[in-house]
Amino acid sequence: AQKITQTQPGMFVQEKEAVTLDCTYDTSDPSYGLFWYKQPSSGEMIFLIYQGSYDQQNATEGRYSLNFQKARKSANLVISASQLGDSAMYFCAMILTGGSYIPTFGRGTSLIVHP
Amino acid sequence: KAGVTQTPRYLIKTRGQQVTLSCSPISGHRSVSWYQQTPGQGLQFLFEYFSETQRNKGNFPGRFSGRQFSNSRSEMNVSTLELGDSALYLCASSLVGGEETQYFGPGTRLLVL
Repeated sequence: AQKITQTQPGMFVQEKEAVTLDCTYDTSDPSYGLFWYKQPSSGEMIFLIYQGSYDQQNATEGRYSLNFQKARKSANLVISASQLGDSAMYFCAMILTGGSYIPTFGRGTSLIVHP
Repeated sequence: KAGVTQTPRYLIKTRGQQVTLSCSPISGHRSVSWYQQTPGQGLQFLFEYFSETQRNKGNFPGRFSGRQFSNSRSEMNVSTLELGDSALYLCASSLVGGEETQYFGPGTRLLVL
């Protein structure tokens, strides 16, 4: 079974600085996809970025980039130029794209951006 | 385009009661998934519906059930509520499911007393 590990329960970063949120995954399946979601206190999960296991380049979406290191089974989220509105929970998730597509989520990292 | 909507947003029930939660997906989306989020267990997949058929199911007891209507709207039902069912229930939709990005609703916060 697949597993997602987010080892940082909480992170603090100063506004305008970059921050890296860690995510490691475990699967023996070669076909998978990795997602990052942001969950503000309102509860809604907001999609940030996606990386497929066969993608050659790291995914980027605006201020978000995914540092995908396949050999190390890590998919860290990098947020550049943090903003106060980035304060939220961040979840890493994985699906097996050759299987049932049922996602597995990590336990999340709470990010606080302070002025 | 309107996002995923969930009703009600907040709900308080007592043990033994049943509850029905509703989810309206983004227009054109035919896949609807349900998740339970608790502090103890995190985010867990409940089930996915596509074209009125349950396509995937997570590891939850039979008290948790769902259905999808022809307009892709979905309902989730929990019977014989237990204290441990207190959670945020999230609904997500996508065009056809699979590896597509899912778009989540704001969730329904259920408190079981």
